[in-house]
Amino acid sequence: EAQVTQNPRYLITVTGKKLTVTCSQNMNHEYMSWYRQDPGLGLRQIYYSMNVEVTDKGDVPEGYKVSRKEKRNFPLILESPSPNQTSLYFCASSLTGSHEQYFGPGTRLTVT
Amino acid sequence: QQPVQSPQAVILREGEDAVINCSSSKALYSVHWYRQKHGEAPIFLMILLKGGEQKGHDKISASFNEKKQQSSLYLTASQLSYSGTYFCGTGETSGSRLTFGEGTQLTVNP
Repeated sequence: EAQVTQNPRYLITVTGKKLTVTCSQNMNHEYMSWYRQDPGLGLRQIYYSMNVEVTDKGDVPEGYKVSRKEKRNFPLILESPSPNQTSLYFCASSLTGSHEQYFGPGTRLTVT
Repeated sequence: QQPVQSPQAVILREGEDAVINCSSSKALYSVHWYRQKHGEAPIFLMILLKGGEQKGHDKISASFNEKKQQSSLYLTASQLSYSGTYFCGTGETSGSRLTFGEGTQLTVNP
């Protein structure tokens, strides 16, 4: 089954404790992206990747890091999480940026 | 820059029609439309490309006015299942990243 998986689905952590949210797709897609969703603000892009080893900042990259060492994986790293990073995070993948995006189930992160 | 969606929210009775608009300040190559149910991931509805045809399936269709940098999503004879938040995403060039609007919350009541 074609899918995008994210782990964990829910996470409660404390300020400053490094964390990684994993994202994996099994569709051989070149394009992958991370979004955060906050009430009233829609889907805001954090980082995106056009292909392996190619990543670029989206609209709200501060406080986040990503890497794309393999085509299927695109982890999101929060080196020192802060309460303003409490949000719902979605990973998405597509053949290219102009094709249908497939979204993962989301990760609800709470930073206290 | 985020595209602007209007209206922000709309409430319908089952069977009524609705139009959701998406407007950008930049020239566009593609416009995507997605629907999201509360607590779930967004689901793809359709893509419109520059120079392409108006798209549609079932009772949901969309248009793309390249000159005005605008797209509209048309929902006819709405069903309860149409309730959710609708997002447009815009791309400026072929293969470029997608930027989403803030969403339009659509509620269909019996």
